[in-house]
Parts: sequence; structure tokens; C-alpha cells
Amino acid sequence: DTAVSQTPKYLVTQMGNDKSIKCEQNLGHDTMYWYKQDSKKFLKIMFSYNNKELIINETVPNRFSPKSPDKAHLNLHINSLELGDSAVYFCASSQDGGPGYTFGSGTRLTVV
Amino acid sequence: GESVGLHLPTLSVQEGDNSIINCAYSNSASDYFIWYKQESGKGPQFIIDIRSNMDKRQGQRVTVLLNKTVKHLSLQIAATQPGDSAVYFCAENMDDRGSTLGRLYFGRGTQLTVWP
Repeated sequence: DTAVSQTPKYLVTQMGNDKSIKCEQNLGHDTMYWYKQDSKKFLKIMFSYNNKELIINETVPNRFSPKSPDKAHLNLHINSLELGDSAVYFCASSQDGGPGYTFGSGTRLTVV
Repeated sequence: GESVGLHLPTLSVQEGDNSIINCAYSNSASDYFIWYKQESGKGPQFIIDIRSNMDKRQGQRVTVLLNKTVKHLSLQIAATQPGDSAVYFCAENMDDRGSTLGRLYFGRGTQLTVWP
């Protein structure tokens, strides 16, 4: 059983399009996160949700909008995609917001 | 902003040797540190953690050392194996709101390559 699963694993799309990445965790954790990893492997936090409530919103363009329908799901919607959005996006979860994250396997987004 | 960094971007070792991966941090308020391993095409995987009230913690073949005086963290891997080849990240938790909703800030990562 996959603890944190993301779909799709690969996403290739044109500039200007709108796309979504889905994330689900079956660990019963109450906090979920989105991280962006650039081409140099740098991981940066984007968002955090605790029990469906937005907790952390780092400096991210408002083209990025997270949505948490329940505490097991945190989706990421991106409007008007730009070339610079190309990266690997990781979903993660933890219990009580504690730092012991469990990461998904990532979604590689390529904007052409 | 990010305060976690790494001294070496790449490290090559021979199988059986010990590996040491270093990490520097600048935020003295950080109270919790974690090492993650990321294999190609996968997400980061937890290896070992350490709290700021400790200076050493051991796991299976891994040891993390924390030197708060110089804000330095290291990961030691004993008897390195080819399966240890991966990118290793240190991460610090800076909970600046006094809650348990910590956020992790990651360093740049070190690529460890183990040669047979």
C-alpha cells in the first residue's frame, strides 16, 4: 500500500494551460504539504494544510491554489502555467504537524 | 529564507568505507533536524533525526552529530554500500510560532556515489 500517492507521475503541458496534481495519504496524518524541487534538487515548501485548513503559504504566485477536500487529500491546481513552473512537485504528510514527513514519489511537471 | 546549506555538493566513496556528509545551518532557533535520503525518481525518505538538546544520535549504520556552537550537522554512514548512493538532505525545523506545526527547510543536498 502506498502511503502518500501522487498523480500523475509525469505531466507535460504547454505554457498558459491550467493543470492539477492530486495527492492522497492513507496514513491518517492530519497535516499535508506541497514542496517544489528545482533542477538543482533544491526542495522548498509551498503550502501546508492541517485538518483542511491552510497553515503555511510560502511566497508562491497566486496562480498556485491548493485545495484540501478532506484531511487525506491535498490537491494542487496551477493556472496559466509558465516555463519556470517546470519542476518536481512533492506531496508529504505528517501527524500533528511534526517534522517527520512522509513524502510521495513526486510529479515531474514540464512546461513547454 | 533558507538557512541550511551543505559543504560538499558531491561525495564519492568506495564500498565499505565510511561516509561523512556535512551540513551547516544559520538559525539558532532551529530545534529539530532531520536527514533524508532521496534515490533517483523517488521522494525523500527519512533516515534519522536529532533534537537540539542532543549532540549525537545513532541508528543502524548511521550516526548524526549536532554541534550547536558552530551550527553544524553531519551524517556518518558506516560501511557504505552501493545502495546508499543517493542525494542526502539535511532539514531543519524552524517553528517560530510556538506550535507543533513545524515547517522543514531543506539544504541543497549532497550526491553520494558509492563505487564497488
